[in-house]
Amino acid sequence: QKEVEQNSGPLSVPEGAIASLNCTYSDRGSQSFFWYRQYSGKSPELIMSIYSNGDKEDGRFTAQLNKASQYVSLLIRDSQPSDSATYLCAVSSSGSARQLTFGSGTQLTVLP
Amino acid sequence: EAGVAQSPRYKIIEKRQSVAFWCNPISGHATLYWYQQILGQGPKLLIQFQNNGVVDDSQLPKDRFSAERLKGVDSTLKIQPAKLEDSAVYLCASSQLQRFYEQYFGPGTRLTVT
Repeated sequence: QKEVEQNSGPLSVPEGAIASLNCTYSDRGSQSFFWYRQYSGKSPELIMSIYSNGDKEDGRFTAQLNKASQYVSLLIRDSQPSDSATYLCAVSSSGSARQLTFGSGTQLTVLP
Repeated sequence: EAGVAQSPRYKIIEKRQSVAFWCNPISGHATLYWYQQILGQGPKLLIQFQNNGVVDDSQLPKDRFSAERLKGVDSTLKIQPAKLEDSAVYLCASSQLQRFYEQYFGPGTRLTVT
């Protein structure tokens, strides 16, 4: 069973702070990693992707990948109340089926 | 571009009854997914279609769940008979064949089984 583990939270940070979200995965063959954001009562939407070890920055968001440790993280700088949502880590399968396995998500609250 | 459409948005049924959900993916998206999301959990893949063929249905409880995608466009997911533990949001998503990771989700159907 391929697993993706996340701290469920909730994680609370003050406005302007850095929010750090973590994810580990069990399938060593996975090559692609994604972060989806899900607002309460809404559907998930893709916000970041990362494929190689290191950091990838997009605006206030930075994704970090360490394949040796099977670890993915998402940093949100200058957190805003509008960032309050559940963040889902998703990992691509190593098999032929093109699909994602989602973690259970980390609920983030940014306090004004 | 129109998004993924789903209906109904909400459904309340009693256990042992049947229910069906409908999904219309984004035009041109070859791959369609049905997920089950239980409160506090991430989406769990139930079935994946590529055009009108099934790619993976390993996590679909086939004794009660069925799904079809006729003509490679619209899809329906059916539960018969429903159990209390089927209460969840059922999400439909679609993607282009090569960009499977960029999945576009519909608004979901919230099912309550009483």
